[in-house]
Amino acid sequence: QVQLQESGPGLVKPSQTLSLTCPVSGGSLRSGSYFWNWIRQPAGKGLEWIGRIFISGNTNYNPSLKSRVTISVDTSKNQFSLKLSSVTAADTAVYYCAREAVDADGGFDYWGQGMLVTVSS
Amino acid sequence: DIQMTQSPSSVSASVGDRVTITCRASQGIGNYLAWYQQKPGKAPKLLIYAASSLQGGVPSRFSGSGSGTTFTLTISSLQPEDFATYYCQQSATFPITFGQGTRLGIK
Repeated sequence: QVQLQESGPGLVKPSQTLSLTCPVSGGSLRSGSYFWNWIRQPAGKGLEWIGRIFISGNTNYNPSLKSRVTISVDTSKNQFSLKLSSVTAADTAVYYCAREAVDADGGFDYWGQGMLVTVSS
Repeated sequence: DIQMTQSPSSVSASVGDRVTITCRASQGIGNYLAWYQQKPGKAPKLLIYAASSLQGGVPSRFSGSGSGTTFTLTISSLQPEDFATYYCQQSATFPITFGQGTRLGIK
């Protein structure tokens, strides 16, 4: 059973960098069959896709966040990471990591439980 | 960006009812459409991918249809555990985008 779980600081100061990791258990990032995604959801609002990474290191980012986002993968730890720089209160949200099959014509089939990150001084 | 618009935004129904939610894309997306169910405090759960393929373990009362710009999610006979918020999502082009959600409540 594949499991993902977000980890990192739950409180980040404005203008600083939000950093989260997503260790994956029950499956290998090296499989080459999946994209590894970050998605966020402000309280009471809808879902926003942040970006994704493939095992090759190839990334795709949401243009609305691209200038501030870096997604990376660490195969030795079987995890992938998100960095979001210059955060403001608008970045306060529950952040999810999620898996997406390469050949499934869409759909995030496994998700982490979500982590609330609050941006506040 | 492709805009995904769901209707209705909210609906009330009773156990046993048949419910249909519509998702319209601002441009054609083929069948690159997924549906999710989200309950409060939980991560979304994949129900349907590729517009009409049922994700493993999802009850058969859930079905999806459509292609191009108009898609539907149908729950054939509502069960108590189905009251939740439902989202559609397209992955035809970047950025991947979601609908605004449809809240399904108890009548």
